[in-house]
Amino acid sequence: NAGVMQNPRHLVRRRGQEARLRCSPMKGHSHVYWYRQLPEEGLKFMVYLQKENIIDESGMPKERFSAEFPKEGPSILRIQQVVRGDSAAYFCASSLGQSSYNEQFFGPGTRLTVL
Amino acid sequence: GDSVTQMEGPVTLSEEAFLTINCTYTATGYPSLFWYVQYPGEGLQLLLKATKADDKGSNKGFEATYRKETTSFHLEKGSVQVSDSAVYFCALSDQGGNDYKLSFGAGTTVTVRA
Repeated sequence: NAGVMQNPRHLVRRRGQEARLRCSPMKGHSHVYWYRQLPEEGLKFMVYLQKENIIDESGMPKERFSAEFPKEGPSILRIQQVVRGDSAAYFCASSLGQSSYNEQFFGPGTRLTVL
Repeated sequence: GDSVTQMEGPVTLSEEAFLTINCTYTATGYPSLFWYVQYPGEGLQLLLKATKADDKGSNKGFEATYRKETTSFHLEKGSVQVSDSAVYFCALSDQGGNDYKLSFGAGTTVTVRA
């Protein structure tokens, strides 16, 4: 059973460009979470999605960031008009169900560098 | 809000040495506590967890005890191997209906030399 897949693993963008990060959850998982790790910091929760629904986006910056998890295909984290402060590692996780009793399985992350 | 502070690295050890990574937390209630491990090139994997005070989580020779009085969840292993070289993250879950939200420490890089 393949684990959580993220691509690309490394992404370089110039200021003002758009970044699209993809996450394919484990087979059978319908709950997806995105976390961001800024340099020298821990992972911070950004958003929680189920198929076609955003459940909790309380950790998402108000502007330029959006996330979706369509009925078909991977979850996408989109960052518009990137700035240098967006440089970070973005991790996706998936689980069978909600709550901490359902283990979150993490992907290897996407390292975004904004020049 | 809830937060986790863990020992800064990097930590370098010889094989068969004793490993301790300190982790303390700040929370208004009684969160669940976790240790995750990230091997090179891979995603974070759950290593162990504890859901209430005095619980001990254990896996692969690693142990951690949920200490409410000291708000700590230190990770220990009595005899490390080269294969234990990884980044270790302490984490807690939010409470109640938001317990899917995990808060992580900055991670501690551990290198074990043969």
